[in-house]
Amino acid sequence: DADVTQTPRNRITKTGKRIMLECSQTKGHDRMYWYRQDPGLGLRLIYYSFDVKDINKGEISDGYSVSRQAQAKFSLSLESAIPNQTALYFCATSDWTGGDGYTFGSGTRLTVV
Amino acid sequence: AQRVTQPEKLLSVFKGAPVELKCNYSYSGSPELFWYVQYSRQRLQLLLRHISRESIKGFTADLNKGETSFHLKKPFAQEEDSAMYYCALSGSSNTGKLIFGQGTTLQVKP
Repeated sequence: DADVTQTPRNRITKTGKRIMLECSQTKGHDRMYWYRQDPGLGLRLIYYSFDVKDINKGEISDGYSVSRQAQAKFSLSLESAIPNQTALYFCATSDWTGGDGYTFGSGTRLTVV
Repeated sequence: AQRVTQPEKLLSVFKGAPVELKCNYSYSGSPELFWYVQYSRQRLQLLLRHISRESIKGFTADLNKGETSFHLKKPFAQEEDSAMYYCALSGSSNTGKLIFGQGTTLQVKP
């Protein structure tokens, strides 16, 4: 089983719809992150959480919200999807130091039409 | 500002040729640098980190604080090295968050 699991793997949705991307991990890490990947822009941080009660905005949080339901679960929501949110979304986890690097999920490919 | 720059979007080399993927960073404190690799249709994986000074799959990277660089090198490229490579920065002021560069696609031709 994967350490970090993202669902769904692929999703097509219409403009204006609400959509939730889910992430769960079995690493036992406190820290979880959501990034989006766009060609030529690399990975940009959307939100991050250092524990269940700690949620922080990243560099591109507008239009997104998150929920940390448990240590192992971190969900990303698009309240009203728009076409420029079409991207590949990655969830990642790390231990408290971050020194061992991140463990990434397989990604969710989201298309907003 | 904290920033990671990978100046090349695409690097194309022939099998057996040396490879150098460039990474420059901007950070006022003491950085931790990483290289991640993403093979086609796979998740990102940690390739190496400067603090461990290791060689993974023949790749090495040296942190040069004077030039604020962390270039990734391999003396002889293999076709299976073809992938997207990301340089990433973390530091005490980031409290563990990673800042990624734009990525470089390495294409190794037979």
